[in-house]
Amino acid sequence: NAGVTQTPKFQVLKTGQSMTLQCAQDMNHEYMSWYRQDPGMGLRLIHYSVGAGITDQGEVPNGYNVSRSTTEDFPLRLLSAAPSQTSVYFCASRAGGRGNTIYFGEGSWLTVV
Amino acid sequence: QQPVQSPQAVILREGEDAVINCSSSKALYSVHWYRQKHGEAPVFLMILLKGGEQKGHDKISASFNEKKQQSSLYLTASQLSYSGTYFCGTVGEGGSEKLVFGKGTKLTVNP
Repeated sequence: NAGVTQTPKFQVLKTGQSMTLQCAQDMNHEYMSWYRQDPGMGLRLIHYSVGAGITDQGEVPNGYNVSRSTTEDFPLRLLSAAPSQTSVYFCASRAGGRGNTIYFGEGSWLTVV
Repeated sequence: QQPVQSPQAVILREGEDAVINCSSSKALYSVHWYRQKHGEAPVFLMILLKGGEQKGHDKISASFNEKKQQSSLYLTASQLSYSGTYFCGTVGEGGSEKLVFGKGTKLTVNP
């Protein structure tokens, strides 16, 4: 059981470039989300989805786009990367229900130069 | 809105106890506690649901006071393996599904 899989694990981008962080889960979870983690800031919610075709903004959505065409996949797109987007990104998922455990991927380390 | 955690950092000697607090300005449905080691993903510890439930796991337990929108994580007889950053996450009562986390509490356990 792979759980939540994120790719790539490490990426260096130049300012202005675009890229997509991939997230896939094989647990048939309805809820998926993206967080970014910066020193001293904790885990901040970027976007989340409660099912295929449904997405919503979190605390820090600017500069990021998401879509949810299937239950399994929830990619995060950076359209024009900025140095302020240098961070560690975590994808997470849980079965439907606000009282259920959330499972994290291993993280993606992104550096924008 | 991020829940507020306190303290920001704690340093213990092995065998000592610690309490980490988490508070929210909003009515809560559930509180989630995670521990993260450096360079790794957060690891689930426990969930507390609306109802004032107290849960335990070995020497780590937690309480949830829904009237005060507060939760506390209790670590007793700390071990070296308890070192890491602890995060509380909250889901609000209002129907939103989103889980938001606090800034974390860094716990260091020394021999």
